[in-house]
Amino acid sequence: SQQGEEDPQALSIQEGENATMNCSYKTSINNLQWYRQNSGRGLVHLILIRSNEREKHSGRLRVTLDTSKKSSSLLITASRAADTASYFCATQGGGGADGLTFGKGTHLIIQP
Amino acid sequence: NAGVMQNPRHLVRRRGQEARLRCSPVKGHSHVYWYRQLPEEGLKFMVYLQKENIIDESGMPKERFSAEFPKEGPSILRIQQVVRGDSAAYFCASSPRGEGTEAFFGQGTRLTVV
Repeated sequence: SQQGEEDPQALSIQEGENATMNCSYKTSINNLQWYRQNSGRGLVHLILIRSNEREKHSGRLRVTLDTSKKSSSLLITASRAADTASYFCATQGGGGADGLTFGKGTHLIIQP
Repeated sequence: NAGVMQNPRHLVRRRGQEARLRCSPVKGHSHVYWYRQLPEEGLKFMVYLQKENIIDESGMPKERFSAEFPKEGPSILRIQQVVRGDSAAYFCASSPRGEGTEAFFGQGTRLTVV
């Protein structure tokens, strides 16, 4: 079963705006990861945040993790048309040795 | 929910041996992706296959690694003459169509080379 649940399922915004996607999970985790999937391609790893971290940045991406609420958010600032893709969060438990559990994803559309 | 099944879940091989990882996609899915996750890193794309065809193998090491998805049976990721650096978790995903559809992931095979 897939533990992570992204919210919203679909999001459409104008280019230049910020996009925020949320992810909730149920069990304890070692780390949480965000992935992007462009149409017809495989997943691309974006960022990994460990359970003892609260916030992480990578370029225009900002990820937060709240383990008390079992939730994470992905913020993409100054969105571009090329950011149009599906975004997945994935959790990994068991000291990092378990498999990944993915959510169903948020489909993000950036309108030019 | 008969999702993507990968076996074995754990595989131990000595250096120089061959490793064969199997992936049975969701029934009816004809697109399969393989990913590798090195310790403490995210997934990295390896290869994308459609029944009997390799669509994109840009992430596959040029030597020792091969993948197939025959008309009948599971997809196989084969690693010949394994080395310690091959130790990783290998994930398979399947989708009904390649374009813009959700991919369903298996739980992975953890390969340990000793």
